[in-house]
Order: sequence, then structure tokens, then C-alpha cells
Amino acid sequence: GAVVSQHPSRVICKSGTSVKIECRSLDFQATTMFWYRQFPKKSLMLMATSNEGSKATYEQGVEKDKFLINHASLTLSTLTVTSAHPEDSSFYICSARDPSGALNTEAFFGQGTRLTVV
Amino acid sequence: QKEVEQNSGPLSVPEGAIASLNCTYSDRGSQSFFWYRQYSGKSPELIMSIYSNGDKEDGRFTAQLNKASQYVSLLIRDSQPSDSATYLCAVNRQAGTALIFGKGTTLSVSS
Repeated sequence: GAVVSQHPSRVICKSGTSVKIECRSLDFQATTMFWYRQFPKKSLMLMATSNEGSKATYEQGVEKDKFLINHASLTLSTLTVTSAHPEDSSFYICSARDPSGALNTEAFFGQGTRLTVV
Repeated sequence: QKEVEQNSGPLSVPEGAIASLNCTYSDRGSQSFFWYRQYSGKSPELIMSIYSNGDKEDGRFTAQLNKASQYVSLLIRDSQPSDSATYLCAVNRQAGTALIFGKGTTLSVSS
């Protein structure tokens, strides 16, 4: 399957600082990427849909000014958690589809980023 | 009603047995259905995709889809301790949109 790389895998930051998470499609071009967050023992919750060259589409209840998404190229989307607080501590996962794939429906996930805000 | 529902488990089966995981969805317009496996602290890994009614087999895994009943299942034959993980059911209405996930079913295979 297609490869999606996410970096960093773990980050610890101080409350009030910002953290940037990168998501790259390594062997295909992704016009759309998706950002999820997952709390312990909970399912993946869609945060936003990242569209190359345009503004991201945020899910209801997700603060767009707090979770900044940039999709400047066909292989890179970034999620910046601004002014992070302990309640933002979570597992953040990106996913992307290979539009050249036969059905363009299977989503491949990055390795995830464990964010801990202290 | 939640969009994608799964029994959270845990589902415990002995090694070598068949594990049966079930999922129901609410959106009749859903077109694509997926099963992902997630180990603790890791991101989901695609196991099976299914798009039409019936069964789809891949090695020890069989996915079953019944759109009339809005039901999709995953059977794991000859279960192994390494199959112990959380299995996420995901549904997609149309190509290009995000997957909607269930809460996942935790499977424990004892040796």
C-alpha cells in the first residue's frame, strides 16, 4: 500500500507553546489528507480535512485558530497546535488516499504523533 | 444513533479459534467498508476493504457485507496471540471523503 510518513512520533512541550506535526505522502500525491485525534481507549475522531492549495475543512467543535492546518504541496500537510494546553495531549494521526489507486477509497495512515503538554 | 457501532469487547478467544467481529452503520448511502487493526500506541493498519455484498477472503481474514442489513463483519480464522489488538470498522460514503470510524472492538487471543 501507499506510504504516509508522520513526524515527530512523540513530542513533549510546555503549556503555551506551539507544536507542528508533519504528514507526508512518500510515493504518491495526495490532494486531500485527513487529521484525526484519538484519546486513550477511544476511537479516531476526525478533526479536519486538508485540501492542497485551499483552506482546510474543520469538523464541528474543532477550533480552527487552535489547530492550524496547511497543505501547501501535494505531498505535505502540517498540523500546528497553537498555545498548547494539557487537554490537547492526545494521539494525532494523519491519513491520505492515493488518488491514482483503483478505487481511491483506501486510506493509509501515518505513524501517529503522541503529544504530551506539560 | 451513532454512525458506526461496534461492540467494544473485550472479545476473548483461545488460540486457533475463529474470532467474529461485528459492525453496523447508519448511513444507507455508504459505499466502502474497511477493517483496520490497531495495536496499542500505534496507528491503524488496513486489513480488509469490501465494497459489495457478500464475502471477501484474504488469508485468515474474511470480511462480510450485507448492505440491506447495514452490517459488516470480520472473521479471523486460526486466531493467533499476535492478532490481539483493537479492530476498527470504518465506513465511507464517497471517494475522497474521510472515513468514519467505530469505537473499535478489543480482541484478546490467549495461547
